[in-house]
Amino acid sequence: RKEVEQDPGPFNVPEGATVAFNCTYSNSASQSFFWYRQDCRKEPKLLMSVYSSGNEDGRFTAQLNRASQYISLLIRDSKLSDSATYLCVVNSGGYNKLIFGAGTRLAVHP
Amino acid sequence: GAVVSQHPSRVICKSGTSVKIECRSLDFQATTMFWYRQFPKQSLMLMATSNEGSKATYEQGVEKDKFLINHASLTLSTLTVTSAHPEDSSFYICSATPGAGATDTQYFGPGTRLTVL
Repeated sequence: RKEVEQDPGPFNVPEGATVAFNCTYSNSASQSFFWYRQDCRKEPKLLMSVYSSGNEDGRFTAQLNRASQYISLLIRDSKLSDSATYLCVVNSGGYNKLIFGAGTRLAVHP
Repeated sequence: GAVVSQHPSRVICKSGTSVKIECRSLDFQATTMFWYRQFPKQSLMLMATSNEGSKATYEQGVEKDKFLINHASLTLSTLTVTSAHPEDSSFYICSATPGAGATDTQYFGPGTRLTVL
């Protein structure tokens, strides 16, 4: 079983749509959780950290359920520029070692 | 924000040659640097963790004699792919962190695309 699992997509949505991505992780000792965005042939860029209480940054909302070992990302009012691959990332239980999911691809069309 | 650079951004080499990739933290001192590899349509996979002045810690399945890592200063780590073969063709990305804590932010370099002919 992969340590971090994501639906690879692609999710094809029109501009203005709301889209949600899910992720599960296997290491219950993981302490830190993140969503990164990766554009084609570029390095990943931190989108937001994910906290147990849930957190929002503009159109983006992240949620964490430790009991279910589940992380989500909600994007509201999708823009064309949101088209990218979204990577679910967890740290490896106590060490500063990031485990990346394979990513979920989002394509926003006009 | 913190900036990490990598050089070269892309390299094409013949099978059997060695390739060195540099990772630099430009505006902070990096206690720890990480090297990742990403094959097409796959996730980033951690290859090794390097701390300044000490030997790198390699992940299971990564050959330390093939992927030589040197972290000689707090702003520079190098990865040398020795005797490269076509299956080593990949996107190599480094990251750097100023601390060694479990939640310290990692800042990623722009990556190096290696193609071995």
